[in-house]
Amino acid sequence: DVKVTQSSRYLVKRTGEKVFLECVQDMDHENMFWYRQDPGLGLRLIYFSYDVKMKEKGDIPEGYSVSREKKERFSLILESASTNQTSMYLCASSLRGQGLNYEQYFGPGTRLTVT
Amino acid sequence: DQQVKQNSPSLSVQEGRISILNCDYTNSMFDYFLWYKKYPAEGPTFLISISSIKDKNEDGRFTVFLNKSAKHLSLHIVPSQPGDSAVYFCAASASGTNAGKSTFGDGTTLTVKP
Repeated sequence: DVKVTQSSRYLVKRTGEKVFLECVQDMDHENMFWYRQDPGLGLRLIYFSYDVKMKEKGDIPEGYSVSREKKERFSLILESASTNQTSMYLCASSLRGQGLNYEQYFGPGTRLTVT
Repeated sequence: DQQVKQNSPSLSVQEGRISILNCDYTNSMFDYFLWYKKYPAEGPTFLISISSIKDKNEDGRFTVFLNKSAKHLSLHIVPSQPGDSAVYFCAASASGTNAGKSTFGDGTTLTVKP
């Protein structure tokens, strides 16, 4: 079974703090994703990585950055946390084919509260 | 501009009956569609998918129908069970250079009453 783990289930940070959210997958997937989920807004893509050190902006990248130094690990960084970044953050991974799509496997999520 | 829409935020059905969840999309480049199920405090899990070369895909109690001309897909659950109560997300992807990314709808909360 694919396993995607996230470093914390719950996190409380103060406004202005630098926040790191870590994600690790154990299935050698090329693609990794960071989403945030807010009520009534579904899953919105923050950043996407298709290879080590490669990244693409998603729909809502402002206020976030990412790092992928190893294939299995994808980190989301909030440079200066703000209250509007309070949300559920979900990491996912998937295979990467030749122009094909595959299902994504999600971690359990991190509920981040910024006060 | 929301490219994938689930117009019903919630749906309630009786155990044993059929649940029908709907999804509409606007981007004609989408050619692969997926449904995910999400329980509270868990990440979404993949349920079923369909390629645009098909109009139906079935997996046990779950069937997805695709109407390309209407840009509409639906997920049928028959018979519905209380354990099916969850949030269901529709997602759409395009092949080629944009492959890998999915655009998700807002989700529909399904409640199956015993």
